[in-house]
Amino acid sequence: NAGVTQTPKFQVLKTGQSMTLQCAQDMNHEYMSWYRQDPGMGLRLIHYSVGAGITDQGEVPNGYNVSRSTTEDFPLRLLSAAPSQTSVYFCASRKTGTGSYEQYFGPGTRLTVT
Amino acid sequence: AQSVTQPDIHITVSEGASLELRCNYSYGATPYLFWYVQSPGQGLQLLLKYFSGDTLVQGIKGFEAEFKRSQSSFNLRKPSVHWSDAAEYFCAVGTTGTASKLTFGTGTRLQVTL
Repeated sequence: NAGVTQTPKFQVLKTGQSMTLQCAQDMNHEYMSWYRQDPGMGLRLIHYSVGAGITDQGEVPNGYNVSRSTTEDFPLRLLSAAPSQTSVYFCASRKTGTGSYEQYFGPGTRLTVT
Repeated sequence: AQSVTQPDIHITVSEGASLELRCNYSYGATPYLFWYVQSPGQGLQLLLKYFSGDTLVQGIKGFEAEFKRSQSSFNLRKPSVHWSDAAEYFCAVGTTGTASKLTFGTGTRLQVTL
């Protein structure tokens, strides 16, 4: 198993540009989520999904869109990048059901918006 | 809403010394608790987790944590620190249910001196 994979590893955008961060998992996990990590703030939940076709907002959803058309993939879209979105982004996944609350994290995407 | 407090931003210990990282949580029900470790430029690795049962939990790399409901704490300990333990450590609390979300603390950066 590759686990949770994220592409790209690094990205530089100009203000106003759009892009999609890719996330895929091969563990057949129903639940997938996106976090952003900023210095001194830990990880904060952006969006999450409990299965294909179902998404919901987390703590900091503004400026980000998600969709979940397959179990494996959960892309994160930045529609119009802003410097405040400079961060490290982590995707995570886990199974749902009793006792299945351990999340597996991808290696992260470091995004800089100039 | 749940929350996690890690009161120590930065801790320095000598190699071979014991370690305790503090974590306090706030959650209305029985929490699911986690400790993750992040080495520089890397993703998050799960050290240990508490769901129920024995309040002393053993993890990987010689770490353990104790759940104390009366103190709302889940402190991480290691009897003898190795230089390779230098990293950032995150405590997290998870809600129950299919849409369980993780809330992270702000992290504690551990420096190990030789």
